[in-house]
Amino acid sequence: DSGVTQTPKHLITATGQRVTLRCSPRSGDLSVYWYQQSLDQGLQFLIQYYNGEERAKGNILERFSAQQFPDLHSELNLSSLELGDSALYFCASSVANDWSEGGNAEAFFGQGTRLTVV
Amino acid sequence: AQKITQTQPGMFVQEKEAVTLDCTYDTSDPSYGLFWYKQPSSGEMIFLIYQGSYDQQNATEGRYSLNFQKARKSANLVISASQLGDSAMYFCAMRGYSGAGSYQLTFGKGTKLSVIP
Repeated sequence: DSGVTQTPKHLITATGQRVTLRCSPRSGDLSVYWYQQSLDQGLQFLIQYYNGEERAKGNILERFSAQQFPDLHSELNLSSLELGDSALYFCASSVANDWSEGGNAEAFFGQGTRLTVV
Repeated sequence: AQKITQTQPGMFVQEKEAVTLDCTYDTSDPSYGLFWYKQPSSGEMIFLIYQGSYDQQNATEGRYSLNFQKARKSANLVISASQLGDSAMYFCAMRGYSGAGSYQLTFGKGTKLSVIP
């Protein structure tokens, strides 16, 4: 158990709908990262939050957004869903802003949310 | 930009044998980190081992060791005494600077390891 909790584990929804994925980082971790894993694109970085502030953006679509709340949990919002958005969405957390701080190089991943758009 | 290459889409190994999973990387950053993760069929990403670019010795964690050859930009994972439970996808990843004081993990495409009894 990595200590990172993602809910729900599975989600099936129709095209055009909006969903929210939730992530609770490990206790004490300030950074949350969202990744998308699809068969054709592999694991792609979407976005990072550190202590409530957006720190970096990767290949995140405009239809997607995220936020990190004061209690440090994060939500990834996916809207106007398309069939191609079907993927495994991971959240990872680390104590540092950039993984190079504090000597702790490990990022802990949640179990993922498997999204199926039909 | 960082790039990770895993050239072996799939590999087979006999139980109790050792196996090497290849990973090469490309970066212009002087400081970086290399990770290996295991993803079983259940889907979770499990951290296995980490090697910092300035670490003088190869990292080891139990049956896992990382064969780090900096000049060749390779970071191969060696699993000794393979077990049936080692059957999974294995991802090599690199932490590199992505600008504005932030670092990201860039992943390779993965290698599917199958352990044969």
